[in-house]
Amino acid sequence: DTGVSQDPRHKITKRGQNVTFRCDPISEHNRLYWYRQTLGQGPEFLTYFQNEAQLEKSRLLSDRFSAERPKGSFSTLEIQRTEQGDSAMYLCASSHSGGAGELFFGEGSRLTVL
Amino acid sequence: ELKVEQNPLFLSMQEGKNYTIYCNYSTTSDRLYWYRQDPGKSLESLFVLLSNGAVKQEGRLMASLDTKARLSTLHITAAVHDLSATYFCAVDMEVLFGKGTKLSVKP
Repeated sequence: DTGVSQDPRHKITKRGQNVTFRCDPISEHNRLYWYRQTLGQGPEFLTYFQNEAQLEKSRLLSDRFSAERPKGSFSTLEIQRTEQGDSAMYLCASSHSGGAGELFFGEGSRLTVL
Repeated sequence: ELKVEQNPLFLSMQEGKNYTIYCNYSTTSDRLYWYRQDPGKSLESLFVLLSNGAVKQEGRLMASLDTKARLSTLHITAAVHDLSATYFCAVDMEVLFGKGTKLSVKP
C-alpha cells in the first residue's frame, strides 16, 4: 500500500470557478477525513466519513463545500464558486475505526484562488 | 466550545538542552495524538496516548497524558537540529488540532 494519495497536488483557479479534489485512502481504512490548513495554522477539521456515511461536518463550513465518498473508498471534496479565502492546503487523512485512531495523512492539495 | 491549546507556539531551542511543550484541551477525550509536520510536508503521527497516565517515548521525545488535568506534555531531551519542525497535538473523534508549536534548534 502506498499510503494516502491526493490529486491534484496543486490547483490554481480563478475566483468563481469550481474545483474538485480527490483522495484515495489506505485501502483497509474505513474512516476518511478532510482538513484545511493555512500557513502557520493547525489543520482545521472539515468533515469525516465512516465507510460511505458522512458522520460529521464542521458547522463553520460554507455550503459551497461538499464532500462525497460514494463507495466507501475514495472521496471527493468539491468547492463551488471559489473565493480567495478558500486558498489553502486541503489535507486528506484516513484511519481504521478499530485501531488507535491515529491519522495517516496524504501530501495535500494546494489550492490558489486568483 | 471545544478547544485545543498549545504553548508555546514558538520555541527556539539550543542543542543539547531539554524542553517541554504543553497541550491543554477542553473536551473529555481520553485519547490524545501528537503529530509532526516538516515545512512544506504533510503531518506524520508521532504518538497515540490512549489513557490517563499513558507515557510513550521515541528517541529524544517523550509524551505523557493526564486526562484529569486535560493536559499532555511533549518533552524533548537534549535537542538536536533534526527535531526542528512544527508539532501538533490533537484530540477527539473528529481529531481537533491545536495551532502547533514551531520548534527550531540552534547550535
